[in-house]
Amino acid sequence: SAVISQKPSRDICQRGTSLTIQCQVDSQVTMMFWYRQQPGQSLTLIATANQGSEATYESGFVIDKFPISRPNLTFSTLTVSNMSPEDSSIYLCSVEVGGEQYFGPGTRLTVT
Amino acid sequence: GENVEQHPSTLSVQEGDSAVIKCTYSDSASNYFPWYKQELGKGPQLIIDIRSNVGEKKDQRIAVTLNKTAKHFSLHITETQPEDSAVYFCAASIKPNTGNQFYFGTGTSLTVIP
Repeated sequence: SAVISQKPSRDICQRGTSLTIQCQVDSQVTMMFWYRQQPGQSLTLIATANQGSEATYESGFVIDKFPISRPNLTFSTLTVSNMSPEDSSIYLCSVEVGGEQYFGPGTRLTVT
Repeated sequence: GENVEQHPSTLSVQEGDSAVIKCTYSDSASNYFPWYKQELGKGPQLIIDIRSNVGEKKDQRIAVTLNKTAKHFSLHITETQPEDSAVYFCAASIKPNTGNQFYFGTGTSLTVIP
């Protein structure tokens, strides 16, 4: 299994600003994933982050809006840039260990 | 790509009764089917999973069944308790893989009435 922590747990931000979300895992993992979960909705994959390479973004998500860093095998950040109210969501970090996927507690973002 | 449908979207049961949540998938290549429980304010937690080489798996009060021919799988919770109240997500994936190919259902909000 894996224990994942995220910071911040929640934030309220103003339109046009940016927020960086941190994800820390208690073990080294090759791939880390970032998901968005809009209110009452399912999970949508934003991107896959491998250490030492550029993140791979899913359709509808672009690097300029959601830049990702992956400096080592236990840490990643997701930045939500130039935020608008439509970015209000829960952002979840996830890793795959032993073929199973584990999620962090999420960051609840509200954009006003 | 894969399409996972989940039903029902909401489910209320009396404490002690059973709850069943069903999912269907479209890609016959999918061979790994996890279920997640998400409590309010928390991230999804893996509760049980099944691989395509078995038809049923049990873990105490939770069981999952898989029908590969019909491309559907179900979560069964017996003797439900109030702490089972949460949103449950099914997912489908292809294992082994070299990238993330988890496709999630739309979730079922389960309420267990004491």
